[in-house]
Amino acid sequence: QKEVEQNSGPLSVPEGAIASLNCTYSDRVSQSFFWYRQYSGKSPELIMSIYSNGDKEDGRFTAQLNKASQYVSLLIRDSQPSDSATYLCAVKGEGQNFVFGPGTRLSVLP
Amino acid sequence: DTGVSQDPRHKITKRGQNVTFRCDPISEHNRLYWYRQTLGQGPEFLTYFQNEAQLEKSRLLSDRFSAERPKGSFSTLEIQRTEQGDSAMYLCASSLVRSYEQYFGPGTRLTVT
Repeated sequence: QKEVEQNSGPLSVPEGAIASLNCTYSDRVSQSFFWYRQYSGKSPELIMSIYSNGDKEDGRFTAQLNKASQYVSLLIRDSQPSDSATYLCAVKGEGQNFVFGPGTRLSVLP
Repeated sequence: DTGVSQDPRHKITKRGQNVTFRCDPISEHNRLYWYRQTLGQGPEFLTYFQNEAQLEKSRLLSDRFSAERPKGSFSTLEIQRTEQGDSAMYLCASSLVRSYEQYFGPGTRLTVT
């Protein structure tokens, strides 16, 4: 059973701080990794994808991938109360079967 | 609005009834996925289409579930003889063939009483 693990949280950070969200995965052949944000009662929305080891930056978001450690993370700089949501890590292995983690609930305190 | 759309947004049904959900993907997207999500969990993969071909189906998917995508456009997901355990949010997502980035619809929330 391919697994994606995330700390369920809640992770609380003050406004303006850096929020760090982590994800580990079990399938070594996984090649594509995604972060989604999901507000309560809404569907997931794509934040970033990352395919290669290292960092990928998009605005206030940075995704980091370490395939040797089977670890992917998302950093949110200058966190805002509007960033309060559940963040889902998704991993694509072979085929089109995407496995999502349970999500980490982030709370940004004003 | 050119995003993924799903219909209905909410469905309440009695145990044992059949239900059908519809998904209209983003128009140029060839790939279409169905997921199920329950409270506190991430989306769980159900099935995948590329154009009209159903290429993958979760081993966890009961025989009561069936999906179609005639002509490679919209897709339907049918659940026969619904059970209370089928209560969940059913999400549809689509993507381009050249990209694995999926875009989700608003979902259909199913409640089985």
